[in-house]
Amino acid sequence: GAVVSQHPSRVICKSGTSVKIECRSLDFQATTMFWYRQFPKKSLMLMATSNEGSKATYEQGVEKDKFLINHASLTLSTLTVTSAHPEDSSFYICSASLGTTTGELFFGEGSRLTVL
Amino acid sequence: GENVEQHPSTLSVQEGDSAVIKCTYSDSASNYFPWYKQELGKRPQLIIDIRSNVGEKKDQRIAVTLNKTAKHFSLHITETQPEDSAVYFCAASKGYGGATNKLIFGTGTLLAVQP
Repeated sequence: GAVVSQHPSRVICKSGTSVKIECRSLDFQATTMFWYRQFPKKSLMLMATSNEGSKATYEQGVEKDKFLINHASLTLSTLTVTSAHPEDSSFYICSASLGTTTGELFFGEGSRLTVL
Repeated sequence: GENVEQHPSTLSVQEGDSAVIKCTYSDSASNYFPWYKQELGKRPQLIIDIRSNVGEKKDQRIAVTLNKTAKHFSLHITETQPEDSAVYFCAASKGYGGATNKLIFGTGTLLAVQP
């Protein structure tokens, strides 16, 4: 149980276009999901907390108009990188939990975005 | 907010030796401390975790210790094998029975086990 799936795994786009990444909890409901960004050989940087039915909470320094997060259902959160630029190229990973009892998070496979 | 520091950034050991990775955290309210292993291009995989009401936890060759007073925790891998080679991340959150599971990661340790 507790499987999180992310799509697409790889995406290449041109500068100026927008890209949507989906994160799904396959066998559980997730009221909260988290989006992370990882640069090569670097740590996972928390971008935002995605809350079902309400606005996402962004970490300091993350542009909310650049990285649009929508959590429309208990099993799906989406991250849209708007007007992408080469510096947005990165590995984006989502995660979800079964609740706050245990603390454990389950991660998606990650999505590698390359902006040309 | 929470800040997690991790050392060393790289660690090379001979097969069969032990490896120790250390982390410190800043927020005394943090109560959940997982360790993740990440292979290149893959998702992080949870290998062991510890909660603030426990000082030590062991799972076969892997153990984690927690010192709440000093706000630091460590990962110990014994009898290392080449397949242990990967990047290891520590993390901290208030997710154990708390209001949020927001997980803050350390900077990572690249472990290389030489055959």
